[in-house]
Amino acid sequence: DQQVKQNSPSLSVQEGRISILNCDYTNSMFDYFLWYKKYPAEGPTFLISISSIKDKNEDGRFTVFLNKSAKHLSLHIVPSQPGDSAVYFCAVHQKLVFGKGTKLTVNP
Amino acid sequence: NAGVTQTPKFRILKIGQSMTLQCAQDMNHNYMYWYRQDPGMGLKLIYYSVGAGITDKGEVPNGYNVSRSTTEDFPLRLELAAPSQTSVYFCASRTGNQPQHFGDGTRLSIL
Repeated sequence: DQQVKQNSPSLSVQEGRISILNCDYTNSMFDYFLWYKKYPAEGPTFLISISSIKDKNEDGRFTVFLNKSAKHLSLHIVPSQPGDSAVYFCAVHQKLVFGKGTKLTVNP
Repeated sequence: NAGVTQTPKFRILKIGQSMTLQCAQDMNHNYMYWYRQDPGMGLKLIYYSVGAGITDKGEVPNGYNVSRSTTEDFPLRLELAAPSQTSVYFCASRTGNQPQHFGDGTRLSIL
């Protein structure tokens, strides 16, 4: 039973456009979420996080939005760059649970 | 500053063999973790440790053992390798409420 779901295995966008990656969770008690980015043959690296006391957190081109009532969060990348091509994982801090990941491809 | 170092990077084992995956961190982090990632799947927690001498099971601990005799090292032991343990293994560490730092993984195949 997946506690964290990333329903899109892959996403392809054009360079300069917005990338939107989505994540759903099942437990309304979860209160801290993280996004990790993973390149092939490397370990995941932390990208951005959000606490449930906020509904938005921004870091440069990356913004995470949290909709607690829908138990949904999304990662926006604007503008997308070819170097952003990677697998993105959504994770819940308390449970150390990761989604299956979404492979983002940014085409030049 | 090396961060989290995992060795070996690749290994092929025969069914029934044993091996230890090594993980070391030089950041003085108290928390350490072992995950496995199967193709098309997210990371699943095998074991974790909140400090030297303290370990606990994660979501998928069967077939594995760990020890944490020092802050720096957190080895993962496979006693009787099975094909189902073919996976990529990641070690991670963190301190306080900071995000985890991951190693680059050990790719293990069991034939």
